[in-house]
Amino acid sequence: EAQVTQNPRYLITVTGKKLTVTCSQNMNHEYMSWYRQDPGLGLRQIYYSMNVEVTDKGDVPEGYKVSRKEKRNFPLILESPSPNQTSLYFCASHGGTEAFFGQGTRLTVV
Amino acid sequence: DQQVKQNSPSLSVQEGRISILNCDYTNSMFDYFLWYKKYPAEGPTFLISISSIKDKNEDGRFTVFLNKSAKHLSLHIVPSQPGDSAVYFCAASSSGSARQLTFGSGTQLTVLP
Repeated sequence: EAQVTQNPRYLITVTGKKLTVTCSQNMNHEYMSWYRQDPGLGLRQIYYSMNVEVTDKGDVPEGYKVSRKEKRNFPLILESPSPNQTSLYFCASHGGTEAFFGQGTRLTVV
Repeated sequence: DQQVKQNSPSLSVQEGRISILNCDYTNSMFDYFLWYKKYPAEGPTFLISISSIKDKNEDGRFTVFLNKSAKHLSLHIVPSQPGDSAVYFCAASSSGSARQLTFGSGTQLTVLP
């Protein structure tokens, strides 16, 4: 079964405390991405990766980092989270005709 | 500047009737379009797609229409069912595939029993 697994599902943290959201896919896709969803703004791309060790900025990359050391994993790193990064985050794994999304990580930064 | 726009934040339809969700885009380089459905506390799930070489694609109760000259696409759901109540996102790509997607802001569809 095609699957994108994100962890954790929910996270409350304090400003400035580094955190990582993990993402893993089992479809052997080369292309993966991270989105954030905010009310009235839809899904906006944060970062994407076209293959192992190949990553690039999306539309809203400020304050985020990613890495792609293995094909199946694409973690999102917030080195110093701020309250404006409170959002719902989705990891996606992209095939040719559709993208598969994880269940989401609801992050609150206080 | 939003390249993909869904101008109706919400839509209510009676069960059994047709639901029509609309999406407009500004980038003429977009050549592949998708619709996603999202339930609360879940990730978006793929519904249907259309390539710019077509003007219609149908899958069961779901049909997507593409009007390239108007830069407009729509999703028709016939007949609508209460389980269709969700947020619907349209997305567009200029890669001819599901990579590098730009999403609209979503439309909340409510199907009333």
